[in-house]
Amino acid sequence: DGGITQSPKYLFRKEGQNVTLSCEQNLNHDAMYWYRQDPGQGLRLIYYSQIVNDFQKGDIAEGYSVSREKKESFPLTVTSAQKNPTAFYLCASSLAGSTDTQYFGPGTRLTVL
Amino acid sequence: AQSVTQLGSHVSVSEGALVLLRCNYSSSVPPYLFWYVQYPNQGLQLLLKYTTGATLVKGINGFEAEFKKSETSFHLTKPSAHMSDAAEYFCAVSLHGSSNTGKLIFGQGTTLQVKP
Repeated sequence: DGGITQSPKYLFRKEGQNVTLSCEQNLNHDAMYWYRQDPGQGLRLIYYSQIVNDFQKGDIAEGYSVSREKKESFPLTVTSAQKNPTAFYLCASSLAGSTDTQYFGPGTRLTVL
Repeated sequence: AQSVTQLGSHVSVSEGALVLLRCNYSSSVPPYLFWYVQYPNQGLQLLLKYTTGATLVKGINGFEAEFKKSETSFHLTKPSAHMSDAAEYFCAVSLHGSSNTGKLIFGQGTTLQVKP
């Protein structure tokens, strides 16, 4: 089955630790995206990538980093520089056109203890 | 700058009643518009989208939306609510321009409650 997988579903981190969230897609999509979701604030774009080995900052990139070494993978690292990392993180992919649908993974809920 | 406003963070309807979720956008060019649904602790699923052509768009699960350029609106409707429609709904606009290709701007979301 084609789709997007995110792992883990739940993640707990101690303050000061970096953590990496996984996102994999087998839809052969060129573009991939990372969003952060907080209650009442909708989805905010962290980073996006339209092709392999290239990515751009979104609206709230500070404290996050990404890589795009393979077309199917777009991992997100939440660094210790992110002041308030507790949130629900969603990964998406699309064919990269303005009219193309973004397909979302099931999300990872990160809690900082 | 493009933006999306969803009027009403919470909407409550009775089962069988009309569902109306409001979305207004601001854009300097005709936008591409999307409605997504999110069930608790899950990702988002596309309900419908407007790109070009017919302004009344039909989606999954009996939902439809009408693009009204004069009102800069893209309201989501369903004639008869079902208990399974209880979820959070997001309106989004796609940005134009080569540097923004594929990027979405989301509204704040509307939680739909369906009462028996």
